[in-house]
Amino acid sequence: EAQVTQNPRYLITVTGKKLTVTCSQNMNHEYMSWYRQDPGLGLRQIYYSMNVEVTDKGDVPEGYKVSRKEKRNFPLILESPSPNQTSLYFCASSPGPARQGYTFGSGTRLTVV
Amino acid sequence: AQTVTQSQPEMSVQEAETVTLSCTYDTSESDYYLFWYKQPPSRQMILVIRQEAYKQQNATENRFSVNFQKAAKSFSLKISDSQLGDAAMYFCAYRSTFKSSGDKLTFGTGTRLAVRP
Repeated sequence: EAQVTQNPRYLITVTGKKLTVTCSQNMNHEYMSWYRQDPGLGLRQIYYSMNVEVTDKGDVPEGYKVSRKEKRNFPLILESPSPNQTSLYFCASSPGPARQGYTFGSGTRLTVV
Repeated sequence: AQTVTQSQPEMSVQEAETVTLSCTYDTSESDYYLFWYKQPPSRQMILVIRQEAYKQQNATENRFSVNFQKAAKSFSLKISDSQLGDAAMYFCAYRSTFKSSGDKLTFGTGTRLAVRP
């Protein structure tokens, strides 16, 4: 089944403890992105990648890191999480051209206490 | 930078009736794509319908159709014969066709649709 797989689905952590949210797609998509969803703000892009080894900042990149060492994987790293990073996170992938839209993962609910 | 505005935080519709969700956007680009995504309580993001800006014909997908007014920068979603399963948060989104703009979906803040039995 063609899909974007995110793990974990739920995560509670403490301030300052490094964590990684994994994202993998099995559709050979070129483009991948991370978004965060907050009430009243919709979804905002954190980082994106249009090719292996090529990543770029989205609208809200502060406090996050990403890497794209291989086409299928695009992990999101929070080196020192803070409570303001409590949010719902989505990974998404696209074949490339804009018309095809994005396929989203199931989301990761992160709580930083 | 592009912006997307959904001015209706919440809407309600009677089952089997028709409802229209509003979306406006701002861009200086002439070629782009617009999308409506549905987010049910499962929180999965599901693509409902897409519209290509250079196509004048409004997109339709079964009970879902759009009213795309390019000059007015308006992109509303009409849901006909509403069903209980249509209850969800609906997001309007914009995507540029220009690679130099990077690659992202710019989302509105969402409209929560309730369906009354």
